[in-house]
Amino acid sequence: SQTIHQWPATLVQPVGSPLSLECTVEGTSNPNLYWYRQAAGRGLQLLFYSVGIGQISSEVPQNLSASRPQDRQFILSSKKLLLSDSGFYLCAWSVRNYEQYFGPGTRLTVT
Amino acid sequence: AQSVTQPDIHITVSEGASLELRCNYSYGATPYLFWYVQSPGQGLQLLLKYFSGDTLVQGIKGFEAEFKRSQSSFNLRKPSVHWSDAAEYFCAGLNDYKLSFGAGTTVTVRA
Repeated sequence: SQTIHQWPATLVQPVGSPLSLECTVEGTSNPNLYWYRQAAGRGLQLLFYSVGIGQISSEVPQNLSASRPQDRQFILSSKKLLLSDSGFYLCAWSVRNYEQYFGPGTRLTVT
Repeated sequence: AQSVTQPDIHITVSEGASLELRCNYSYGATPYLFWYVQSPGQGLQLLLKYFSGDTLVQGIKGFEAEFKRSQSSFNLRKPSVHWSDAAEYFCAGLNDYKLSFGAGTTVTVRA
């Protein structure tokens, strides 16, 4: 069966510090991968998606970037965090363009 | 723009009572529709999906949803709510690769 992991689960970082969140998927090959952000009291916003290694599409211009160095690894990064980057970050995977399955999420607080 | 709307922000229901959560969609063609549930601090879990065919779809945890093209709706139902059903519920529609989420409905279950 397929599983998706995210780490860390919780992160507190000062403004201006770098960020690296990791997502890995097991049990499937060549998945589509997604990064979403869920701000407090708001819905889910798609940040990035990837259909293959090295292929990243950005949905919203912002302070974040994403990379896919391996087939089942998706990384969300920032060089300098802003207060507005705080939120709950969710990684998801799908096979082709069907239902998406979500990881447990990372709670990021920028102080 | 293609989207889904959840008209109810918050619903309170008694344990053992029935539950219905509303979702309206705005898509040109027959959409792929989903319901997800999110417990506090957790990722999203897929409850059920509709792609085509039978308009009444069964999901996990005793949930079902009915696709009604005439009303542009995909409402989620459960005949008898358990305290563990207290959570936030999201309706989503798939447009190519991108999931568009409703704002979510928070369900509170009272004893």
